[in-house]
Amino acid sequence: KQEVTQIPAALSVPEGENLVLNCSFTDSAIYNLQWFRQDPGKGLTSLLLIQSSQREQTSGRLNASLDKSSGRSTLYIAASQPGDSATYLCAVSLLGPDSNYQLIWGAGTKLIIKP
Amino acid sequence: DGGITQSPKYLFRKEGQNVTLSCEQNLNHDAMYWYRQDPGQGLRLIYYSQIVNDFQKGDIAEGYSVSREKKESFPLTVTSAQKNPTAFYLCASSISPTYSSYNEQFFGPGTRLTVL
Repeated sequence: KQEVTQIPAALSVPEGENLVLNCSFTDSAIYNLQWFRQDPGKGLTSLLLIQSSQREQTSGRLNASLDKSSGRSTLYIAASQPGDSATYLCAVSLLGPDSNYQLIWGAGTKLIIKP
Repeated sequence: DGGITQSPKYLFRKEGQNVTLSCEQNLNHDAMYWYRQDPGQGLRLIYYSQIVNDFQKGDIAEGYSVSREKKESFPLTVTSAQKNPTAFYLCASSISPTYSSYNEQFFGPGTRLTVL
């Protein structure tokens, strides 16, 4: 059974630092991996999607990498800002028992950027 | 202005009552989903729909029901059979049916349901 883990559950860093958020998964037979951002009491915003054939994706100050063989993905945030404070979730897409694709979610990392 | 809307934002229910959460999308997406989010846990899939008039149970469908009479709408009813309904509910949609490997999902703002 696929399990997705995000460690740490919470992270607090000073403004301006570069940081890395981690996502690990137990089954490497994934089709893609997504990183999302969630502000308190809000819905999810998709940040980056990495197809299984890709190694990384970049958007602005964000860079996500994927290593299927080791079951790991990282989200790198450069020059962090207080506005980056949010919960970051990762989800992997895999083929379910009913032959439909489904997302399996991590519990998220709550990030606080201190001014 | 395309997107996914959910209403209401906050909902309070007495025990024993059924309530319906609204989800509407104008993205022309085929697939729609309902998730439940509890503190410290990943999202859990309640129901999903690939096309109009079709829907499938997710991992935690007990105590919930859905309908998909229109492509744009996928309402979720939380019934009195759901023993612990207090949670944050998120609706999502994707352009492709779930049989495609490319199923990037887009989310609504959520509804927080509290049982009094």
